[in-house]
Amino acid sequence: AQTVTQSQPEMSVQEAETVTLSCTYDTSENNYYLFWYKQPPSRQMILVIRQEAYKQQNATENRFSVNFQKAAKSFSLKISDSQLGDTAMYFCAFMNAQGAQKLVFGQGTRLTINP
Amino acid sequence: NAGVTQTPKFRILKIGQSMTLQCAQDMNHNYMYWYRQDPGMGLKLIYYSVGAGITDKGEVPNGYNVSRSTTEDFPLRLELAAPSQTSVYFCASRTSGGTEAFFGQGTRLTVV
Repeated sequence: AQTVTQSQPEMSVQEAETVTLSCTYDTSENNYYLFWYKQPPSRQMILVIRQEAYKQQNATENRFSVNFQKAAKSFSLKISDSQLGDTAMYFCAFMNAQGAQKLVFGQGTRLTINP
Repeated sequence: NAGVTQTPKFRILKIGQSMTLQCAQDMNHNYMYWYRQDPGMGLKLIYYSVGAGITDKGEVPNGYNVSRSTTEDFPLRLELAAPSQTSVYFCASRTSGGTEAFFGQGTRLTVV
């Protein structure tokens, strides 16, 4: 079974700083997808960024980028020029590309951006 | 489009009572998921469905049942509610050809 581990329960940075959230996963599959979801206090789950395992290039969405290390099974999220609105829980998630496409989440990292 | 709609938003149950959490989506998505999120924790998969008539267990299925008689609806049934089922429940859906999951707003359930 696939597992996703986020080892940083909480992080806090000053506005405009860069912050990196860590995620590791375990799978025997070769083709899969990785995601970062954001959950603000409103409780809504919002997709931040996705990465396809067969793509070597790291995904980027504006201020959000990932560092995908397939051999190390590592998938970190970098937030540049952090903003107060980035304050939220961040979840790393995994999904197989074939078969039972269960979407499995990590425990989450609570990120606080301080003014 | 309404997206994924969950009802109710809040509910208090007494130990031993039963209830059904409703989830409906209007995007014609094949895949639907039920998760629970305990305070300060991640989402744990309870059940999922790949289409009408097909369901399967996730990580924490005990104490729950699901059915999927239509593409649109995926209700979650709690039988004999226990305090350990106090949680926020999320329903999500996605198309079989896509990767992004769309989530409902959640149902906060308290069992006392």
